[in-house]
Amino acid sequence: KAGVTQTPRYLIKTRGQQVTLSCSPISGHRSVSWYQQTPGQGLQFLFEYFSETQRNKGNFPGRFSGRQFSNSRSEMNVSTLELGDSALYLCASSLEPTGGVSNQPQHFGDGTRLSIL
Amino acid sequence: SQKIEQNSEALNIQEGKTATLTCNYTNYSPAYLQWYRQDPGRGPVFLLLIRENEKEKRKERLKVTFDTTLKQSLFHITASQPADSATYLCALDRGSTLGRLYFGRGTQLTVWP
Repeated sequence: KAGVTQTPRYLIKTRGQQVTLSCSPISGHRSVSWYQQTPGQGLQFLFEYFSETQRNKGNFPGRFSGRQFSNSRSEMNVSTLELGDSALYLCASSLEPTGGVSNQPQHFGDGTRLSIL
Repeated sequence: SQKIEQNSEALNIQEGKTATLTCNYTNYSPAYLQWYRQDPGRGPVFLLLIRENEKEKRKERLKVTFDTTLKQSLFHITASQPADSATYLCALDRGSTLGRLYFGRGTQLTVWP
């Protein structure tokens, strides 16, 4: 069974540009979560999608957005890039949404390394 | 919001010894806690999950304990090997309907021969 696939693996952008990152979850997984990982802040939750609906959102500005398609694939978009957006962006999928009684472990991709110049 | 502290940024131990990593949390009481392993340049990999009503969970050389009174989880790797060298992350979820995982910053474990 193929794991979570994130594209591209590496990306270099300049300030003010926008970027779209893609995530293909494990087949059959309907929940997709996005995280930002930096050395200073660790793993920070961005948002979670389930059945094309955003269920939960972390404490990030509106420049960060996402969506999920009917095949569960997800994209996240960052507009007006800032230097501080340089990070590893991780996508994780699970069968069911996070929380409640499902206690679902997250299956992570290897991330997209975004560098802002 | 949830605050999670992992005992130290780095832990160095000799091969064959038991590595013990600590995860302390404040504020809310999580419904369950997860441990992940992350290698450089890779995404985290799920290792173990323990629920609030469980005291201990084992998987091969791994053992996790959960003390809701102390608000602490301990992660043990027995008979450690150089291949166990990685960063280990703990993550909490309150278990509410709109749950989300709060991650600690991780402890980088180095096992030397």
